Amino acid sequence: EAGVVQSPRYKIIEKKQPVAFWCNPISGHNTLYWYLQNLGQGPELLIRYENEEAVDDSQLPKDRFSAERLKGVDSTLKIQPAELGDSAVYLCASSPSTGDTEAFFGQGTRLTVV
Amino acid sequence: AQSVTQLGSHVSVSEGALVLLRCNYSSSVPPYLFWYVQYPNQGLQLLLKYTTGATLVKGINGFEAEFKKSETSFHLTKPSAHMSDAAEYFCAVSPPGFQKLVFGTGTRLLVSP
Repeated sequence: EAGVVQSPRYKIIEKKQPVAFWCNPISGHNTLYWYLQNLGQGPELLIRYENEEAVDDSQLPKDRFSAERLKGVDSTLKIQPAELGDSAVYLCASSPSTGDTEAFFGQGTRLTVV
Repeated sequence: AQSVTQLGSHVSVSEGALVLLRCNYSSSVPPYLFWYVQYPNQGLQLLLKYTTGATLVKGINGFEAEFKKSETSFHLTKPSAHMSDAAEYFCAVSPPGFQKLVFGTGTRLLVSP
């Protein structure tokens, strides 16, 4: 069974440019998470989806970040415009459903803003 | 609200020595507790979890952790370190219902020959 797939693995962009990250969760997993991991820190939740509905986006900086999960499967996280402080690893994870007790993580996308 | 404190950003052990990584949590309700491992340039892999029942939890790769409610702790141990255990370890807490994980800042385990 394929795990959570994220692309790209690495991205370097200039500040003020837009960037998008893509996540394909494990087949059949209804719950999808985007986490932000700054260097030397633990991951922090940005947004949680149940199917196509964003049920927790309280930590998503909505002035520049947006996310979508069309058809309740793949998801895209976008930053526009990117700032130097956005340099970090963006992790996607999925669970079969809320209440299940394990989240499966992708390898992440490492973003560098120069 | 839940929070996690991991004592020691770096822990160094010799191969074959006991591994002890400390985790204390704060939660207003009985939480679910997790340990994840992250190898360089990789995502997080679940080592073990405590939800309910037996407080001593065994995980993969010979690791185990004990939930101690009175001490609000969930320390991770392994009797004998292996070179392949060198990685970053994250303790995490979740409210019952598992809506999200709240992670600690991580502990980097270094294993020397």
